[in-house]
Amino acid sequence: ETGVTQTPRHLVMGMTNKKSLKCEQHLGHNAMYWYKQSAKKPLELMFVYNFKEQTENNSVPSRFSPECPNSSHLFLHLHTLQPEDSALYLCASSQGLAGGGEQYFGPGTRLTVT
Amino acid sequence: TQLLEQSPQFLSIQEGENLTVYCNSSSVFSSLQWYRQEPGEGPVLLVTVVTGGEVKKLKRLTFQFGDARKDSSLHITAAQPGDTGLYLCAGAIRGTYKYIFGTGTRLKVLA
Repeated sequence: ETGVTQTPRHLVMGMTNKKSLKCEQHLGHNAMYWYKQSAKKPLELMFVYNFKEQTENNSVPSRFSPECPNSSHLFLHLHTLQPEDSALYLCASSQGLAGGGEQYFGPGTRLTVT
Repeated sequence: TQLLEQSPQFLSIQEGENLTVYCNSSSVFSSLQWYRQEPGEGPVLLVTVVTGGEVKKLKRLTFQFGDARKDSSLHITAAQPGDTGLYLCAGAIRGTYKYIFGTGTRLKVLA
């Protein structure tokens, strides 16, 4: 596998469920990102990790819980979500600080909360 | 609040026409990236511009970074149906891991 992979590609969950999204990057990058993409809104940065340390939390509700066990893997744990959380969740990675290296995206997980 | 405004939001043109997409901000960025995204997929990086005034060409696509590094443009010559997609610009915030994304331009090229 090359680049950035995400699983699952599609997820339907009820508001009381607990699920996790997984991201893996094969580019040797140090930084990993979670973004949310909703219709008619710009990409919203959720979390950033640099070498497993969280460097950004963009005021994300606690029902989203990120985990970065190493610089190649990133998870987003979901619980008690709301219908407005339905969106495309994108993972990305980059090398170095913003502007110092290019950001590459995975294919995304389409999440539907019922 | 740092914002990147893209214009136009929507564009529907005939094959063979030329077009320009604009990305504007009041903030200075250390670099700016352009992506194309197709439905149900993640954004795919097209180009990164770093120096003020820089011009980069990728086949029929020409990218320019403003002299003050606050704005950028994407020009497509002789558009083809394969150019259809959502075009996104993203500005890198110096000294951080943050990228600010534009509002997007949805392009449709009709055969």
